[in-house]
Amino acid sequence: DGGITQSPKYLFRKEGQNVTLSCEQNLNHDAMYWYRQDPGQGLRLIYYSQIVNDFQKGDIAEGYSVSREKKESFPLTVTSAQKNPTAFYLCASTPSGAGADTQYFGPGTRLTVL
Amino acid sequence: QKEVEQNSGPLSVPEGAIASLNCTYSDRGSQSFFWYRQYSGKSPELIMSIYSNGDKEDGRFTAQLNKASQYVSLLIRDSQPSDSATYLCAVNRLNQGGKLIFGQGTELSVKP
Repeated sequence: DGGITQSPKYLFRKEGQNVTLSCEQNLNHDAMYWYRQDPGQGLRLIYYSQIVNDFQKGDIAEGYSVSREKKESFPLTVTSAQKNPTAFYLCASTPSGAGADTQYFGPGTRLTVL
Repeated sequence: QKEVEQNSGPLSVPEGAIASLNCTYSDRGSQSFFWYRQYSGKSPELIMSIYSNGDKEDGRFTAQLNKASQYVSLLIRDSQPSDSATYLCAVNRLNQGGKLIFGQGTELSVKP
């Protein structure tokens, strides 16, 4: 099955902890994205990566970090510097060439700070 | 002014009616426009993409684009209770590859 997987589905973090959210895709897509969604709001871009070993900050990158060591994987770390991390986190990817701006989403990870 | 604006709703329509969802955007140079459906607690799924002025139909869904007026709409014909969801409008960012800007979404409720 081709697709985008995110794990875990639910994640609980204590104050001051760093946590890492996984995003994997086997669609051979070049670009990958991380978004945050708060209740009743749209998606806000955290980080994105268009090729391996390269990534750029989105609109709300503070308190987050990413890596892109493999084409298939784009993990997101929520650091203790992120003051309000409770949210729904969505990973997306886009193919290259035609349709390169059509984003497909994984199932999401719901992070709650205890 | 928000870059992409949608009425948050909720928009309530009876089963079988036409639901009309609207979206306006501020970047006149935007070229790609998308509608996503998001059920409660789930991730967004792509319904339609549209790139040219006019209408694009796919089953019960019709996307309409008017670049001169900077709006894009989604019509859902013969609305079903299963269409009840939040609909997100997304617009590409000019000269920024695949980056999209999302509206806050319109909640649609279809009443049996």
